[in-house]
Amino acid sequence: DILLTQSPSSLSASVGDRVTITCRTSQSVDKYLYWYQQKVGQAPKLLIYVASSLHSGVSSRFRGSGYGTDFTLTISNLQPEDFATYFCQQSFNSPRTFGQGTKVDLK
Amino acid sequence: QVHLQESGPGLVKPSETLSLTCTVSGVSVNSAAYYWSWIRQPPGKGLEWIGHIFYDGRTKLNPSLESRVSFSVDTSINQFSLTLRSVTAADTAVYYCVRDEDGLAAFDYWGQGALVTVSS
Repeated sequence: DILLTQSPSSLSASVGDRVTITCRTSQSVDKYLYWYQQKVGQAPKLLIYVASSLHSGVSSRFRGSGYGTDFTLTISNLQPEDFATYFCQQSFNSPRTFGQGTKVDLK
Repeated sequence: QVHLQESGPGLVKPSETLSLTCTVSGVSVNSAAYYWSWIRQPPGKGLEWIGHIFYDGRTKLNPSLESRVSFSVDTSINQFSLTLRSVTAADTAVYYCVRDEDGLAAFDYWGQGALVTVSS
């Protein structure tokens, strides 16, 4: 299985900050890396697909980048609704696997 | 508007069988554009892909669970189902049914999730 390691596991930030989350994969996943946002008590929501494409309806404050084994999710101008847990996920190989999550909370 | 809704018992005894159904609206499960996945999340933990089923019944399963898991799809009533046998406490989780968009290879629509607790 492809292992996905996110860093940091958690971070504290303020409204208006820019936040960066990293996802490293144990082998190349080409561009098949995805980012999801999960709020407490809710299902995850797709933010970014194939590393850098913004899913329909998602704010342009979210940006994904990377290729191969190293990927980044950047949230610009952090808003109150962005405090949540973020997961990366790969679809290059089966089984599909997820990172352990990064919790973004209010400083 | 695409909507997925899980249904099934919230409590299952150890060694018994967990069964969940996902009712889909706003899109046909009888479409070659999508797979239909199950993903679970133990309380306070991360996400685990269980597997997916195609409209024609073909499946792909996570090897970690494939000896205990089976899927089915009923295109006539736009539902798909999960069966997990011989459950233990480690199977306690929120189970999500999810649309798996083939072209994007993304989990783009999720059900709200169903908490299943394994306990005697």
